[in-house]
Amino acid sequence: QSVLTQPPSVSAAPGQKVTISCSGSSSNIGNNYVSWYQHLPGTAPKLLIYDNNKRPSGISDRFSGSKSGTSATLDITGLQTGDEGDYYCGTWDSSLTAVIFGGGTKLTVL
Amino acid sequence: EVQLLESGGGLVQPGGSLRLSCAASGFTFSNYAMSWVRQAPGKGLDWVSVIFGSGGNTLYTDSVKGRFTISRDNSKNTLYLQMSSLRGEDTAVYYCAKGLGTIAVLDSWGQGTPVTVSS
Repeated sequence: QSVLTQPPSVSAAPGQKVTISCSGSSSNIGNNYVSWYQHLPGTAPKLLIYDNNKRPSGISDRFSGSKSGTSATLDITGLQTGDEGDYYCGTWDSSLTAVIFGGGTKLTVL
Repeated sequence: EVQLLESGGGLVQPGGSLRLSCAASGFTFSNYAMSWVRQAPGKGLDWVSVIFGSGGNTLYTDSVKGRFTISRDNSKNTLYLQMSSLRGEDTAVYYCAKGLGTIAVLDSWGQGTPVTVSS
């Protein structure tokens, strides 16, 4: 069971918007930056968002992140079939002295 | 362009050992912390270990402490993971990943190398 809690799955139609949540505690999200990763089938994981809301070069502005208290969210707008895959939040846990990930959310674009 | 290429995975018996390698290119290797992250079949991402750029400091997840050793050779731009006393629960695809300034942000990942622990 992951320290960070994500919904197992979300779904939406092409062109729509989806939000993925990530819930933690004061030892992780509450006092550290959050990152989001995309893991598409058969590919290497990719960094989408870091420091709560920053996008690396080359990442579409369809992806955005935010954080409030001990929770974070990833928004994906203008959904495309190519967005189907698994999405993970990640952060540092000061109590565990470890990098931690959420359990992952499977996105289905209907 | 950053490239990370893992190798060394395979089938090993419980209690056995294996050494993974990750060849890095496209960036100044010694300037960045490097991590190993694994994904067991049907499971999510699981951080294993990190080594800072100088190689002087390392951290491990609790389940591998005392069994795995992370190291790096900055002259060869290569990251290693020495795994011993392997267990069935270590079966996973192992990815190496480059840190982005901080160890908690992994901005480039390799394609992974599979490790199967089974008799």
